[in-house]
Amino acid sequence: KNQVEQSPQSLIILEGKNCTLQCNYTVSPFSNLRWYKQDTGRGPVSLTIMTFSENTKSNGRYTATLDADTKQSSLHITASQLSDSASYICVVTFYNAGNMLTFGGGTRLMVKP
Amino acid sequence: EAGVAQSPRYKIIEKRQSVAFWCNPISGHATLYWYQQILGQGPKLLIQFQNNGVVDDSQLPKDRFSAERLKGVDSTLKIQPAKLEDSAVYLCASSLGTGRQETQYFGPGTRLLVL
Repeated sequence: KNQVEQSPQSLIILEGKNCTLQCNYTVSPFSNLRWYKQDTGRGPVSLTIMTFSENTKSNGRYTATLDADTKQSSLHITASQLSDSASYICVVTFYNAGNMLTFGGGTRLMVKP
Repeated sequence: EAGVAQSPRYKIIEKRQSVAFWCNPISGHATLYWYQQILGQGPKLLIQFQNNGVVDDSQLPKDRFSAERLKGVDSTLKIQPAKLEDSAVYLCASSLGTGRQETQYFGPGTRLLVL
């Protein structure tokens, strides 16, 4: 069964600090891996998308990395801002599941002043 | 560019009542998705439409949930009768097509509370 696990479940950091969120997936091969940001009360918004041949992708202060050998991805947030407070969801598209997205449970990040 | 629109934003009903949610996707997007997101979890796909045809409804509880996209644009999701465990946020998303690299754009969701 395809699964996507994220850690930590929640994280509190001070404004200006960096942080790294983890995503592990089981079963392969996969087509692509995405990171979404979901603000409270809103739908998820795509941050990055990586295919199996890519190992890093940046979007401003967000940098996603991918290690297809260990089936791990991370999202690194640099110089955090209060507006980064949100849930970050790792989403994998597996070849053996058509184009269905498999969502992780998300990491809830809170940035404090 | 207008995003995915959903209504209502919030709904409170009692168990065994019926409820309907509406979604208007981004103009020109052929593919529409309904997800259920329980608090603290990632979204779970309920149904996927390609134009007005169903592509995947394998995780839709068909005894109580139904969805339609009659003209290939707007869509409605209905729950009849609702159960306590249906309390969740119902997200609608759309994409241009069904390709693996397609980005899904999500609406703000409808937050349902069943009492």
